[in-house]
Amino acid sequence: SQQGEEDPQALSIQEGENATMNCSYKTSINNLQWYRQNSGRGLVHLILIRSNEREKHSGRLRVTLDTSKKSSSLLITASRAADTASYFCATEGISGGYQKVTFGTGTKLQVIP
Amino acid sequence: SAVISQKPSRDICQRGTSLTIQCQVDSQVTMMFWYRQQPGQSLTLIATANQGSEATYESGFVIDKFPISRPNLTFSTLTVSNLSPEDSSIYLCSAGSGNEQFFGPGTRLTVL
Repeated sequence: SQQGEEDPQALSIQEGENATMNCSYKTSINNLQWYRQNSGRGLVHLILIRSNEREKHSGRLRVTLDTSKKSSSLLITASRAADTASYFCATEGISGGYQKVTFGTGTKLQVIP
Repeated sequence: SAVISQKPSRDICQRGTSLTIQCQVDSQVTMMFWYRQQPGQSLTLIATANQGSEATYESGFVIDKFPISRPNLTFSTLTVSNLSPEDSSIYLCSAGSGNEQFFGPGTRLTVL
């Protein structure tokens, strides 16, 4: 079963606006990662935040992690049409004695020029 | 970082046949994983490919349907057997390097 649930499932904004996507998960994690997937393409790693970190920035991306609430958010500031893609959170942890990464349900972001 | 390639990039197969997907990593990695992404869906972990031992399958996936090989630390194959239209998906290989997961470009499988 999916580890993470993301909301919203779909988001449509105007270019220049900020986009916020949220991810909730169920079990303990070592880290949480965000990925982007353009339509029909592979996954692009955006940012990783470790379980002992609360916030991380990378360019126009800001990620927060609240382990007490088992949730994370991805903020894209000053969005561009090229940001149109699906965004997935992925949690890494130990399950059944093995390290594994499991993905959330994803948010489809559309940035309108 | 790790660069991952997959072959084939896409294929169209007939019902009842099998497709073997190859995954090559440009460096030695301990962990390799196979995921399935059905149309419009997120990624679902099929199995962890262990070097020198049998793969570890997730709930709902079995070795007879998805046999996996991992002959060394840079290569793995996934076979999707006895294909049906429900197997039409993108199959992605990934490998861990440190705490970051790298992904191949995926193999788009269409079953007629």
